[in-house]
Amino acid sequence: QVQLVQSGAEVREPGASVKVSCKASGYSFTTYAIHWVRQAPGQRLEWMGRINTANGNTKYSRKFQGRVTITRDTSASTAYMELSSLRSEDTALFFCARVLHRHCSGDSCYSGFDFWGQGTLLAVSS
Amino acid sequence: DIQMTQSPSSLSASVGDRVTITCRASQSVSNYLCWYQEKPGTAPNLLLYATSNLQSGIPSRFSGSGYGTEFTLTISSLQPEDFATYYCQQSYSLPFTFGPGTKVQIK
Repeated sequence: QVQLVQSGAEVREPGASVKVSCKASGYSFTTYAIHWVRQAPGQRLEWMGRINTANGNTKYSRKFQGRVTITRDTSASTAYMELSSLRSEDTALFFCARVLHRHCSGDSCYSGFDFWGQGTLLAVSS
Repeated sequence: DIQMTQSPSSLSASVGDRVTITCRASQSVSNYLCWYQEKPGTAPNLLLYATSNLQSGIPSRFSGSGYGTEFTLTISSLQPEDFATYYCQQSYSLPFTFGPGTKVQIK
């Protein structure tokens, strides 16, 4: 069955970086893009960026531009999201989610995120 | 960025009630609108995509309509497992953006 399994909870100090992994199984990894979504306490879901797992092309939200890097390792069917220069406002739950490449054209996707990881909790505190 | 709003922010309803949630976009998103259900401690679950297309495995009591800037999610007969928070999301242009959520509570 399809699964996206994320790495475990992290605690970081302000200014540090964190790298979260998202391991896919049960489907062909390179047929789906992986997106990353953040949910801070009491806030709405917030799109951070995405990677085309077939060619490695990335796109990021302007809000996180310069601080977020999304990569993938096709041999491991795993996507990664690294967030740097952490601040207390980055304390949140981070999700990876997939969407079928062929359902997307340019910046639009006909379908939504049909499978999500379980979420990775990040706490940023000194 | 396209801003998404939802109304109401919360509602109380009984099992068997018909429930309607509205989502508005700050500019047209055509029919590129998705709905998710989220329960505490779990990731969002896709209910509908492209406004009215039911995701596989989702009960037919969920339906969606709308176009452009105004959309609705309807639950025809609320079931105990439907008490949750519902989010709309536009998939028309990056950055994809989500509504603030509507919490459906037991009356």
